[in-house]
Amino acid sequence: AQKVTQAQTEISVVEKEDVTLDCVYETRDTTYYLFWYKQPPSGELVFLIRRNSFDEQNEISGRYSWNFQKSTSSFNFTITASQVVDSAVYFCALSEPLIYNQGGKLIFGQGTELSVKP
Amino acid sequence: DAGVIQSPRHEVTEMGQEVTLRCKPISGHNSLFWYRQTMMRGLELLIYFNNNVPIDDSGMPEDRFSAKMPNASFSTLKIQPSEPRDSAVYFCASRGDRSRTDTQYFGPGTRLTVL
Repeated sequence: AQKVTQAQTEISVVEKEDVTLDCVYETRDTTYYLFWYKQPPSGELVFLIRRNSFDEQNEISGRYSWNFQKSTSSFNFTITASQVVDSAVYFCALSEPLIYNQGGKLIFGQGTELSVKP
Repeated sequence: DAGVIQSPRHEVTEMGQEVTLRCKPISGHNSLFWYRQTMMRGLELLIYFNNNVPIDDSGMPEDRFSAKMPNASFSTLKIQPSEPRDSAVYFCASRGDRSRTDTQYFGPGTRLTVL
């Protein structure tokens, strides 16, 4: 069965600190996708990144970076120099492979609530 | 480009009443997903459609829940009769075909409260 675990329920940091959000996944599929979504206090779910299982290259986007390691089934998210606006709940998700463009439902972790204090 | 549109944004109703949630996917997207978010169970898939056809409804809690997608630009999720345990945030998401993106984009959600 597929499963996503975000062991950190809540994290609190002071502005400008770096913070890493952990994500560990389980799947028997050899092809899959991993995602991170942000849910700010306003409640919407905002897409941040998608990574497929064949691409282990780390990615950086501004202050955000992602580390994907298949050997440890982890897809961790780091925010560098955190800001108050980063305060949100962050979800890691796993997608089953698409077959003839069908499938791909998201399995979400429980989320990590990040609080960045000024 | 308009994102996924959901209405209403908030719904308060009494137990036993019928509730209809609406979703308009991103134009050109051919897959539509309904998710529910609760404190106890987190985010879970209820049902999804591909080219307006329901593909997987295994997440639909029970017969009180039904979903339709009469055309490519509109879907409904209906609860009849509603119960207090249905209180949650309901999200709709859409996805384009494989050549364009495998990413699901979410609407703002409908916060449902059943009294």
